[in-house]
Amino acid sequence: DAGVIQSPRHEVTEMGQEVTLRCKPISGHDYLFWYRQTMMRGLELLIYFNNNVPIDDSGMPEDRFSAKMPNASFSTLKIQPSEPRDSAVYFCASSLGDTTNEKLFFGSGTQLSVL
Amino acid sequence: AQKITQTQPGMFVQEKEAVTLDCTYDTSDPSYGLFWYKQPSSGEMIFLIYQGSYDQQNATEGRYSLNFQKARKSANLVISASQLGDSAMYFCAMREWFSQGGSEKLVFGKGTKLTVNP
Repeated sequence: DAGVIQSPRHEVTEMGQEVTLRCKPISGHDYLFWYRQTMMRGLELLIYFNNNVPIDDSGMPEDRFSAKMPNASFSTLKIQPSEPRDSAVYFCASSLGDTTNEKLFFGSGTQLSVL
Repeated sequence: AQKITQTQPGMFVQEKEAVTLDCTYDTSDPSYGLFWYKQPSSGEMIFLIYQGSYDQQNATEGRYSLNFQKARKSANLVISASQLGDSAMYFCAMREWFSQGGSEKLVFGKGTKLTVNP
């Protein structure tokens, strides 16, 4: 079975541009998570979905960030407009359930650089 | 307060020796899960080992074992017979179950960078 697939792997953009990150979770996984990793703040949860419905978006930094999950096999994280401080690695992860023993499977991440 | 604390920003170990990476956690919930992930320089997050709060035995997965001390709220990762390929960042994480309904998110510590020397 293919793992979590993220695209693009690297994204370089200029300040003010719109950025869209994409994720395909593992088939059959009901939970999808978006994390951001920076040196200063480590791994932070931005938002997570259950059965395509956003459950907790309290980690989304501000209104410039939005996430959607139109179906069980696809999610996007959009930043509009992008700023240099958004530069980070963005991970998508999925899990089968929400019990405490459910591990998350991570994608390879998108390295975002905003110039 | 931080949920997960990893006090060792960096650790060094000689190849073939064992190393312990520290992790303490903070929760008032009786039901929770503890995880360790490895992040090599290539960037992917690799699941290593899991320990449930009600598990009587310490978890083991090959060369990885988890030294779970519930009363002290610690969940240290022990890597035996270190290999050069073990050089990576290691993250401890916790997932809590709230009786009000639903599981909480997986919260990560800041990580420990392990370097294995030949």
